[in-house]
Amino acid sequence: DAKTTQPTSMDCAEGRAANLPCNHSTISGNEYVYWYRQIHSQGPQYIIHGLKNNETNEMASLIITEDRKSSTLILPHATLRDTAVYYCIVRVRGSNYKLTFGKGTLLTVNP
Amino acid sequence: GAVVSQHPSWVICKSGTSVKIECRSLDFQATTMFWYRQFPKQSLMLMATSNEGSKATYEQGVEKDKFLINHASLTLSTLTVTSAHPEDSSFYICSAIQVEAFFGQGTRLTVV
Repeated sequence: DAKTTQPTSMDCAEGRAANLPCNHSTISGNEYVYWYRQIHSQGPQYIIHGLKNNETNEMASLIITEDRKSSTLILPHATLRDTAVYYCIVRVRGSNYKLTFGKGTLLTVNP
Repeated sequence: GAVVSQHPSWVICKSGTSVKIECRSLDFQATTMFWYRQFPKQSLMLMATSNEGSKATYEQGVEKDKFLINHASLTLSTLTVTSAHPEDSSFYICSAIQVEAFFGQGTRLTVV
């Protein structure tokens, strides 16, 4: 799997947009960008994924650069419950392929 | 999304005993499940890949005789920590893939 690089931590004010960056400069053509988050003492939760187009769902938006070497996860209106470690992972979709977790970004949403 | 359930959520056991953790895919079948371990303030580390009807594949450095994995059905994988010691205390998490990967809620193991 391609390696990803994320900031160690970020802060965001409640109600504001949280923009979490991820670099994945060695991503392969058939690898998707996935985002998961882990709230303290829980299992990771799937957020969103994308290949090359921007994606949006009820939880977040994913912006992928044209060269696919980086992406940004956007939580449009962060709440205190969004405080978690966010992991950016690249993998081949649809295969029984293991996920390799980096250290992720600890997002702290402040009141 | 798909639901993956782990049991128990937490367990305390005495040193030298064995502990079994169950991972179930509740609304889909999973030929492959994954077991992770997470120490405090660290990321998830893959321990092994559990394959239905065949032997598990262990990551380098993970003792297969200590961490026994059984995947006897398409909805159930079990991880047994044998002869547990305090250093095995950790957060164990399973996942199963239904196109995307879904995770259990984790099991907090404390060995005293």
